[in-house]
Amino acid sequence: QKEVEQDPGPLSVPEGAIVSLNCTYSNSAFQYFMWYRQYSRKGPELLMYTYSSGNKEDGRFTAQVDKSSKYISLFIRDSQPSDSATYLCAMRGSGGSNYKLTFGKGTLLTVNP
Amino acid sequence: GAGVSQSPSNKVTEKGKDVELRCDPISGHTALYWYRQSLGQGLEFLIYFQGNSAPDKSGLPSDRFSAERTGGSVSTLTIQRTQQEDSAVYLCASSPIDGANVLTFGAGSRLTVL
Repeated sequence: QKEVEQDPGPLSVPEGAIVSLNCTYSNSAFQYFMWYRQYSRKGPELLMYTYSSGNKEDGRFTAQVDKSSKYISLFIRDSQPSDSATYLCAMRGSGGSNYKLTFGKGTLLTVNP
Repeated sequence: GAGVSQSPSNKVTEKGKDVELRCDPISGHTALYWYRQSLGQGLEFLIYFQGNSAPDKSGLPSDRFSAERTGGSVSTLTIQRTQQEDSAVYLCASSPIDGANVLTFGAGSRLTVL
C-alpha cells in the first residue's frame, strides 16, 4: 500500500459546480497536510496547508483533515475554468527533520465553461 | 529573484551521457529541495539542502545522482551515465529555514533520455 493514495481522475465538471478532491494515507505520523495546484508544464503552486485535524477556508477553497480516518479533502466552490489543473495532496510529519513531503499522484480536474 | 528559476527547461540527451540541471532559489531561502516527477507518478523526494549542507540524500535513486549547493544559493543536480528511466521532470523548490510547509517550486527541467 502506498503511503498516500489519490484518485487520478480525470474529473470533469461544469462551471459553477462544487468540486471535491480527496486523499487517503496510511502513515499516522503525518501532521501537516497541503494541497498544491499544478498547471500543465508548470511547477506545483501551494494552495493551502493545515495542521492536524480540522477545516481551513481560503476564498473558494476549503481543506478538511480527518486524522481518525486518515482522509483529507479539498473543496472548490463555484468552480471556474481557470481552476482546471492537476491537484496534488502532500503531507509530512512534525519535527525539524520531517521536511520531506510525501505526495499523492494528483487528480486532473477540468472545469467546462 | 522573484521566483525559483530552473535551467534548462528542456533537455534531450542520449543514454550514457551526463547532464547537469540548475536551480536558482528565491533570494534568502536557506532550504532547497529537489523532487522528481515521472509520468503517472507523484513527486518523489530526491535531496534536501539547508544552506550548503545536504543532511538528507536518502532520496537519490542511485550513485549516478549527485547534487551540490554553493554559497547557500544555486544548486546543481548532476546525473551521470543517464538511463532511459531517468526521463522525468526534475523540480526544485525553496523555502525559508522553517518553511517546510510553504515550498515554492520552479517550473522544472524536463529530461528526456533517448
